[in-house]
Amino acid sequence: GQQLNQSPQSMFIQEGEDVSMNCTSSSIFNTWLWYKQDPGEGPVLLIALYKAGELTSNGRLTAQFGITRKDSFLNISASIPSDVGIYFCAGLQWSGYALNFGKGTSLLVTP
Amino acid sequence: DGGITQSPKYLFRKEGQNVTLSCEQNLNHDAMYWYRQDPGQGLRLIYYSQIVNDFQKGDIAEGYSVSREKKESFPLTVTSAQKNPTAFYLCASSIGRGDTEAFFGQGTRLTVV
Repeated sequence: GQQLNQSPQSMFIQEGEDVSMNCTSSSIFNTWLWYKQDPGEGPVLLIALYKAGELTSNGRLTAQFGITRKDSFLNISASIPSDVGIYFCAGLQWSGYALNFGKGTSLLVTP
Repeated sequence: DGGITQSPKYLFRKEGQNVTLSCEQNLNHDAMYWYRQDPGQGLRLIYYSQIVNDFQKGDIAEGYSVSREKKESFPLTVTSAQKNPTAFYLCASSIGRGDTEAFFGQGTRLTVV
């Protein structure tokens, strides 16, 4: 599968701060998704993006599908301790059968 | 409730033994997937199946085998040919090709002892 480059690898922030992470690729994707994984659990879908330039929110989370179709970002506003976990970007190409995943961003939030 | 169930949650295997991980879904999804997760490596695709009785190799299929005899079930066998089987294994399903919202099970942590 195509490699997705996700950054940063980890973040350590204080409660109340905003967070931004992104995902880039050398290839075009038709769909971008963002998942969150709690320790020892499976990933849970947060946001799905289907059109270039699309900006979608889910509560305190906002994600955008890059205009070039080669990138996406996720913002979390006013972080809280339960935001702790690993966030993954995932993409699907037009000819693809399965999602390609980034390596994840590990988020730690201190009270 | 509808969902994906993986079992067992934890599995220990002796070197040289085959072991089968279970994945069952009651979402009526056509497509099912197996991913392997290692620390810092993200999720890597092992096998996927778009329909019953059909499955395809993913990026890291060597040392693994699957079957898809029923729509609801997609078991993964980790064979003795897998050189480094200790990992967290995740099963997922989606409605079908073109539907990108994959739903994941809770995972099975396999440890070779």
